[in-house]
Order: sequence, then C-alpha cells, then structure tokens
Amino acid sequence: QVQLQESGPGMVKPSQTLSLTCTVSGGSISSGNYYWNWIRQPAGKGLEWIGRVYTSGITRYNPSLKSQVTISVDTSKNQFSLNLTSVTAADTAVYYCAREVGWITVTRVPDYYFDYWGQGTLVTVSS
Amino acid sequence: DIQMTQSPSSLSASVGDRVTITCRASQSISSYLNWYQQKPGKAPKLLIYAASTLQGGVPSRFSGTGSGTDFTLTISSLQPEDFATYYCQQSYSFPRGFGQGTKVEIK
Repeated sequence: QVQLQESGPGMVKPSQTLSLTCTVSGGSISSGNYYWNWIRQPAGKGLEWIGRVYTSGITRYNPSLKSQVTISVDTSKNQFSLNLTSVTAADTAVYYCAREVGWITVTRVPDYYFDYWGQGTLVTVSS
Repeated sequence: DIQMTQSPSSLSASVGDRVTITCRASQSISSYLNWYQQKPGKAPKLLIYAASTLQGGVPSRFSGTGSGTDFTLTISSLQPEDFATYYCQQSYSFPRGFGQGTKVEIK
C-alpha cells in the first residue's frame, strides 16, 4: 500500500520561502508511470493544483504560481519537494502531496488521475 | 485555463435519497474528468476516473456519466458515510483544475 507523508514547517513568515517534503513509502517513486504533485486548499475553500514532477525531473507548474514554485524529486530518498518563494498570507493553506497515475485509454491516448494523497499539512504564513 | 463549475454548491438530502451533482467544463474535455470525495480534515479520495470508471473499492451506488462539457456524479441511495464534499477535476490539460466543490449535508 503506497503512502505519502508531508513534512515541513507549520509556520512561515511573509516574504520567506515555504519548503515541504513528501516521503513516499510502500513503493518506489521511480517505478511506474506516476507523477508527483502538490495541491493546496485554503481553509474552507477548494483545491488548487500547484504542480507536478516526474522522476526524470521534468516539471509542470500552475501558471498562476509559476514564478514562485519549484518542485524537485530525490529518487534516492523516495521523496519530492515543494519550494514556494515570497509567500504572503494568501499562501496559508493545507498542502497535500498526491500521486497522479498516467494510464492509456482504449483509444490509446493518455489520461490521468490522483489516486494516493498525503494526509495534508497546514502551513500558516504569519509574522 | 479550463474552468470547472459544479452545481449545486451545497445540497441537503436524507439517507436513501438519490443525489445528483453536476460539473460543467468551460470547453470540451472529452472524458477527462475525475470525481473525488473529501470529508472534513481528510484528504480527497478518488471515486471515479475517466468520467465513468469506478475506482476499486468504491461502492457501486456511485456512478458517473458525461462527456464533452457536461458531467454528472450520482449517488443512487445516499448512505450516512456519504455526507462529504465532492469535487470534479479535469485531466485534459494543464493546469489541472478542480470544481469549487459540492457539499452534501444531512437533511
């Protein structure tokens, strides 16, 4: 059973960098057609996709956050990480890491879904 | 970006009721549509992918239909454990986008 676990500071000061790590257990981060994602959710609000990384290091980011975001992978540690720079109060949220499965449909085109999620970690931006 | 709009934003229903939630995409996304259930303080859980395929272990009372821009999640007979918030999500393009959620509450 694959498990994902977020870790990192629960509080970050405005203008500083938010750094989180997701540790994957129960399987290798390098095996299979999987993409490793960060998704966040402000209190009482909906889900916002931040970005993803493949084990090759190739990334895709949400354009709304692209200037702030770096997602990286460390296959030797079975981890991937999120750095979000120049944070403000608007970045206060529960941050989830999630595995995205890439699969081939009957029409031979790729499709994706998030099948495993971490429990989430609350990060508060406050001085 | 593709905008995902769910309706209603919330609904009240009783155990045993049939519940339908709608998700509309701002452009055609074929069948690249997933549904998730989220309970308070928990991570979302995948229910349905590719618009209509039930994820393993998900009860058969959940079903999904639709393609193009209009999609539906149906719970055929609402159970106590189904009271939660439901999100649709498009996997057609980047950035990945979610609907704003539909909260299913006890009547």
